[in-house]
Amino acid sequence: DTAVSQTPKYLVTQMGNDKSIKCEQNLGHDTMYWYKQDSKKFLKIMFSYNNKELIINETVPNRFSPKSPDKAHLNLHINSLELGDSAVYFCASSQEWWGPGANVLTFGAGSRLTVL
Amino acid sequence: GENVEQHPSTLSVQEGDSAVIKCTYSDSASNYFPWYKQELGKRPQLIIDIRSNVGEKKDQRIAVTLNKTAKHFSLHITETQPEDSAVYFCAARVFSGGYNKLIFGAGTRLAVHP
Repeated sequence: DTAVSQTPKYLVTQMGNDKSIKCEQNLGHDTMYWYKQDSKKFLKIMFSYNNKELIINETVPNRFSPKSPDKAHLNLHINSLELGDSAVYFCASSQEWWGPGANVLTFGAGSRLTVL
Repeated sequence: GENVEQHPSTLSVQEGDSAVIKCTYSDSASNYFPWYKQELGKRPQLIIDIRSNVGEKKDQRIAVTLNKTAKHFSLHITETQPEDSAVYFCAARVFSGGYNKLIFGAGTRLAVHP
C-alpha cells in the first residue's frame, strides 16, 4: 500500500505544452511538498502546502501552479513547458509543517519529465 | 543564510572500508539534520537523523556526528557493503520568514566495490 503515490512516473512532451503531475498520500499527513531534482541530482524545494494552504513558494516561475484540493492531494500543473523544466519531480509529505512532525519526509517515487 | 554544502560529490571505496560524508550549514538556528539515501531510480529515504541537542547518534553500521560550533555534521558508514552504493543527501532544517524548510546538500554518490 503505497504511502505517497504520484502519476505519471514518466512524461515526455514537447516544448510549449502544458502538463500536470498528480500526488496523493494516504498517511494522514497535514503537509505536502513538491521538490525538483535536476540532472545533477540537486533536490530543491518548490512548494509546500499545509492542510490545503500554500505556506512555502520558492522562487519558481509562475508557469508552475500547484493545487491542493484536500490535504491528501497536491497536484502540479506546468504551463508552456521549457527545456530547463526537464527533471524528476518528487512529491513528499510530513505529519505537520512545524515541530518534530515536520522533520521526517516521506517521498513519492518521482515523476521524470522530459521536455523535447 | 540557507546553504548546505556537502563533500565529496563522489566517493569510491572497497567493500569493508569506511565511508565518511561531510556537510556544513550556514543557519545557526538549524536544529535538525537528517540524512537520506537514494538508490538508483528510487525515491530518497531517511536513514538517520540527529537533533542539535545531541553530538552523535548510531544505528548499526551508520553514525552521524554534529559539531554545532563549527556548523558541520558528518555521516559515517562502517564495513561498507555493495548495497550501500547510492546517492546520499544531507539536509538541515532552516528557518526563514516565519516558516521552516529542509534544505538539501548536493548529494554524494557512493560506490562500494566488491
